[in-house]
Amino acid sequence: AQKITQTQPGMFVQEKEAVTLDCTYDTSDPSYGLFWYKQPSSGEMIFLIYQGSYDQQNATEGRYSLNFQKARKSANLVISASQLGDSAMYFCALVKTSYDKVIFGPGTSLSVIP
Amino acid sequence: DAMVIQNPRYQVTQFGKPVTLSCSQTLNHNVMYWYQQKSSQAPKLLFHYYDKDFNNEADTPDNFQSRRPNTSFCFLDIRSPGLGDAAMYLCATSRDSYEQYFGPGTRLTVT
Repeated sequence: AQKITQTQPGMFVQEKEAVTLDCTYDTSDPSYGLFWYKQPSSGEMIFLIYQGSYDQQNATEGRYSLNFQKARKSANLVISASQLGDSAMYFCALVKTSYDKVIFGPGTSLSVIP
Repeated sequence: DAMVIQNPRYQVTQFGKPVTLSCSQTLNHNVMYWYQQKSSQAPKLLFHYYDKDFNNEADTPDNFQSRRPNTSFCFLDIRSPGLGDAAMYLCATSRDSYEQYFGPGTRLTVT
């Protein structure tokens, strides 16, 4: 069975500092995708970044980068130069490309301190 | 230029009174999903439509039903809401199961 683990229920980071949010996953499928979503207190899920299992390079989107270590089954999100608006819940998610189901991790609550 | 729209944003219903939540999309995506998210928890998939094919999660209660009359619209019907059904309900769409685009959600309160 597929599973996503996020071991940090809550994180604090100083404004303008970088922060890494951990995500490990378990799947036996050779082909899969990994996502990170941000959910502010308003409730909307905002797509941040995507990494395919066969992608050779780590994904980057602006201040977001994904540290993908396939052998270790980890897909950590790195946020550079944190901003106050980055305070939110962050969910790591796994999709099996052979099915139409996304599995979410339990989430990490990030608080950015001025 | 909203892409996934959910109405209403806030819904209050009485215990046992049927309620319908709606979702529409302008992306022409073939897959639509309904998630239930309770406070401080990850979204939980209830069911999804791949085109017209309905896929129910094994642990979704019978109290929850869904309709997709066309590509753009999808409805979530809760036949007899209980207090435990109070949650945020998120609709999402995707093209062949890759990146999912989420709507703003409907926060359901059951009194």
